[in-house]
Amino acid sequence: GQQVMQIPQYQHVQEGEDFTTYCNSSTTLSNIQWYKQRPGGHPVFLIQLVKSGEVKKQKRLTFQFGEAKKNSSLHITATQTTDVGTYFCAGPVDSNYQLIWGAGTKLIIKP
Amino acid sequence: NAGVTQTPKFRILKIGQSMTLQCAQDMNHNYMYWYRQDPGMGLKLIYYSVGAGITDKGEVPNGYNVSRSTTEDFPLRLELAAPSQTSVYFCASSYSPTGLNSPLHFGNGTRLTVT
Repeated sequence: GQQVMQIPQYQHVQEGEDFTTYCNSSTTLSNIQWYKQRPGGHPVFLIQLVKSGEVKKQKRLTFQFGEAKKNSSLHITATQTTDVGTYFCAGPVDSNYQLIWGAGTKLIIKP
Repeated sequence: NAGVTQTPKFRILKIGQSMTLQCAQDMNHNYMYWYRQDPGMGLKLIYYSVGAGITDKGEVPNGYNVSRSTTEDFPLRLELAAPSQTSVYFCASSYSPTGLNSPLHFGNGTRLTVT
């Protein structure tokens, strides 16, 4: 079946270092969405990418959608403590009303 | 606007008990979803609804039931609770299917422990 793989599972960084998470789908996606979940919280929508090769920026966050629309990445420049949480990608399953979710990448700031 | 409201926030059940997790949204969204999230894992879809009176199974429906009598409410019923149902349950809603041009809005979640 259709799968969305997300790596790495965890990333430990010093505050001020960069962070990247990657998302790979087994099939072409019509769009990909990114959500952030703070510890103990619920997922909150960050952005949606629709076009092949699309790049969008939100302050220190850069989102990319691959040319083949099968992969995506989220890059955070100069991480801050407010960036702590788990970042999920999600894409629609063909022919129905479901999203399939990556397992998430947990961003941990080293003390 | 309250958005998506879930109750209760926490619950402990004994094996074999039943309960209903409540979910209500005030955004007039047609699409509603129930997910479960096990520790350190992503979201698994339990059931979803495309409108009042219409529900369908997601990836992990066994042991659960839903109903959608109104646009606003989408309760999730657990019958004969089992330890494997220990999880955090999230209800979500969206204006369009799969969130295209309309992201999913999540409730704060229900943390359920079955012992």
